[in-house]
Amino acid sequence: GENVEQHPSTLSVQEGDSAVIKCTYSDSASNYFPWYKQELGKGPQLIIDIRSNVGEKKDQRIAVTLNKTAKHFSLHITETQPEDSAVYFCAAPAGGGADGLTFGKGTHLIIQP
Amino acid sequence: DAGVTQSPTHLIKTRGQHVTLRCSPISGHKSVSWYQQVLGQGPQFIFQYYEKEERGRGNFPDRFSARQFPNYSSELNVNALLLGDSALYLCASSPRAGGDEQYFGPGTRLTVT
Repeated sequence: GENVEQHPSTLSVQEGDSAVIKCTYSDSASNYFPWYKQELGKGPQLIIDIRSNVGEKKDQRIAVTLNKTAKHFSLHITETQPEDSAVYFCAAPAGGGADGLTFGKGTHLIIQP
Repeated sequence: DAGVTQSPTHLIKTRGQHVTLRCSPISGHKSVSWYQQVLGQGPQFIFQYYEKEERGRGNFPDRFSARQFPNYSSELNVNALLLGDSALYLCASSPRAGGDEQYFGPGTRLTVT
């Protein structure tokens, strides 16, 4: 099955600065990489995803990049705002015949005013 | 459109008891997945059902079982509860089988005492 590693576990940035969260995966057959945002007391919210046939995808202030050769993908948030404070998770297909997702351990993003 | 709904919101059970958690997917979605999220960790895949068929199972014991009904809603059952089963149980719905585009509900917080 898939193994997903996520770094850093905690990230503190000044409001208005950029934040970058990185993940690596183990299964070279993986072809779909979503990012989720989870606020306290809520379920994870899908914020952006990328498929293995593209290298980058942007949606307003967030972007995801994928390097298939190195088996890593990153989330970029520009012009950070207080409402960006949350826990962010990367994920990849579980593999091994299981149709679910394997998640990283999460990054607690703190936006300092 | 209504998102994924789960019931109950919170639940307290005693060791050895049985619990049933319920999930209704987004209208038009035929796939439901269940995840367990322990505090401070990412969600862990338990099951996926698509068109009432099991499409994969994570590394969970046989005490965990699930089913999907003709209206695509789903139940997760856990028998012989252990203290370690205390967690947030998340349901995710998707328009298709696999890991693509999974949308999560708010979860059911299970506490086992």
